[in-house]
Amino acid sequence: QSVLTQPPSVSAAPGQKVTISCSGSSSNIGDNYVSWYQQFPGTAPKVLIYENNKRPSGIPDRFSGSKSGTSATLGITGLQTGDEADYYCGTWDSSLGAVFGGGTKLTVL
Amino acid sequence: DVQLVQSGAEVKKPGESLKISCKVSGYSFSSYWIAWVRQMPGKGLEWMGTIYPYDSNTRYSPSFQGQVIISVDKSINTAYLQWSSLKASDTAMYYCARPVMSFGVARRFDPWGQGTLVTVSS
Repeated sequence: QSVLTQPPSVSAAPGQKVTISCSGSSSNIGDNYVSWYQQFPGTAPKVLIYENNKRPSGIPDRFSGSKSGTSATLGITGLQTGDEADYYCGTWDSSLGAVFGGGTKLTVL
Repeated sequence: DVQLVQSGAEVKKPGESLKISCKVSGYSFSSYWIAWVRQMPGKGLEWMGTIYPYDSNTRYSPSFQGQVIISVDKSINTAYLQWSSLKASDTAMYYCARPVMSFGVARRFDPWGQGTLVTVSS
């Protein structure tokens, strides 16, 4: 059972928008920045969003992040088949250290 | 270019010991924390612990404290993750990653090594 709660899967059609939620508590999301990671099968995770809503260079602006209270959301617009991957949220917990969500599998129908 | 290159896949028997490595290049190794993250088959990411190579200050996740040892060799810019007695439940992909730390808190993990697959089976 992961400390951060994500939906196991989401799906949408190419060109559409999808959001992935990440729910935590006051000891983690409520008090720290959230980052998001994209992981393709057989490869290492890569950071998509950091400090709630910042994109590293090279990440398209189709990807966005937001945080409110003890929850965070990753948004992806203009979905492409190449976006099919697992997505993880992460943050710091005051007792546990770094924590991640259980991951969300994105299917582009 | 910052790179974290991990050692190759390992197949071990229960009870055996193991030490896997993560060699860093492209930045001052001693100045940045290094973390280890476990991913069990078909499962999510789990932070195991983090070490500061400059003074080997190490923080472990409560879930992994006493189960593994994280260490570094500054002379060869390499971090290690080791087990003294492996169990079948240690079968997983293990990633090293560089956490961006601020006031003792990891704000993100970037970049990541390619991963080392550890299989423990009799």
